[in-house]
Amino acid sequence: EDQVTQSPEALRLQEGESSSLNCSYTVSGLRGLFWYRQDPGKGPEFLFTLYSAGEEKEKERLKATLTKKESFLHITAPKPEDSATYLCAPRGNTGKLIFGQGTTLQVKP
Amino acid sequence: GAVVSQHPSWVICKSGTSVKIECRSLDFQATTMFWYRQFPKQSLMLMATSNEGSKATYEQGVEKDKFLINHASLTLSTLTVTSAHPEDSSFYICSARGEQSTDTQYFGPGTRLTVL
Repeated sequence: EDQVTQSPEALRLQEGESSSLNCSYTVSGLRGLFWYRQDPGKGPEFLFTLYSAGEEKEKERLKATLTKKESFLHITAPKPEDSATYLCAPRGNTGKLIFGQGTTLQVKP
Repeated sequence: GAVVSQHPSWVICKSGTSVKIECRSLDFQATTMFWYRQFPKQSLMLMATSNEGSKATYEQGVEKDKFLINHASLTLSTLTVTSAHPEDSSFYICSARGEQSTDTQYFGPGTRLTVL
């Protein structure tokens, strides 16, 4: 059965304090692993897609990496505006995104 | 990234009435569209998947007669909540994807439905 687990559930950081979010997955026939950011009361905003182990992508203070079992979202020197819920969603043979519960990040100034 | 819009952004209705939510892909052709609902502090739950011109495929436990989905064109899908009740109050989010199964899935801003 396809499964996704994100950790931690919640993360509080001081501005400038770098950290990583984890996404562990078991999916048949991976067709991409997607990262989204969701702000309260809004739909998810696309961040990255990773397709194969070893792939890395960066956008501003965010960097996503992928292994055969995990993906990490590294946040370097975060700012308060990075506060949001980050969702990991691999896509398998079914063509559907399988969402984790998300990691809610709070960055304090 | 691609833009997906939803209308309305929020709606309040009386119990027993029907509500229609529109989802549009503004700058790409959405071969496949998805409808999700999200409860407070929970992740997204897929309700159904629709391909343009075909009947929607509903997830287990989702009543197809209650949640009517139409995907009549490559840029528009609608979700109609029929005979809405307070337990249908939720945040409904649509999503659209292009032709390839590896294409990125983009999400709309969501519609907050409150049934009194």
